[in-house]
Amino acid sequence: NAGVTQTPKFRVLKTGQSMTLLCAQDMNHEYMYWYRQDPGMGLRLIHYSVGEGTTAKGEVPDGYNVSRLKKQNFLLGLESAAPSQTSVYFCASSHGQGRLIGVNTIYFGEGSWLTVV
Amino acid sequence: DAKTTQPTSMDCAEGRAANLPCNHSTISGNEYVYWYRQIHSQGPQYIIHGLKNNETNEMASLIITEDRKSSTLILPHATLRDTAVYYCIVLRYNAGGTSYGKLTFGQGTILTVHP
Repeated sequence: NAGVTQTPKFRVLKTGQSMTLLCAQDMNHEYMYWYRQDPGMGLRLIHYSVGEGTTAKGEVPDGYNVSRLKKQNFLLGLESAAPSQTSVYFCASSHGQGRLIGVNTIYFGEGSWLTVV
Repeated sequence: DAKTTQPTSMDCAEGRAANLPCNHSTISGNEYVYWYRQIHSQGPQYIIHGLKNNETNEMASLIITEDRKSSTLILPHATLRDTAVYYCIVLRYNAGGTSYGKLTFGQGTILTVHP
């Protein structure tokens, strides 16, 4: 019953460094998402994917890239980290298209805390 | 997607019902009301959703007004573990009955359950 798993859970980066956050889900979900949450704020969608090999921009995509090479994995990359990217990152997944209306519940991971200094 | 308005914070005594309101006066016919909560330092957790009928599950009840412009999430017997930020979200499904599930989170309501 792993659900949605994110790695790493905590990371400190220097400005300009690059890194990749990995999200894995074991529920055979079609859709996957990356959100960020800043202190005292709601979640904002960065990028999402509606299936293996597809990605799309969300609300705040700048400075991030994503890849969905395998259905169960969704990677979020920071090519050149900036202090403004200090945040908590949440991955999520859902069944998506083809399911009955209302069944498309979204499941979230536990979060990855990223600090850019 | 329609915007939602929620009170910033609410208190509730342990064992009592917690009633969390949400205003979504611009909701359209193909938009559902979803409720999620986020316990400190954890990922958001799905609670319940509805279209126009009242809904109940093992966690909560959702009451949607007849005009669908507002709703209330009810936690019937609140416990200390229900202390969290509660998000009311309106989500549109396209004509084909599918959705990318792009949840738009507002500020939510901070519910504090006290002994």
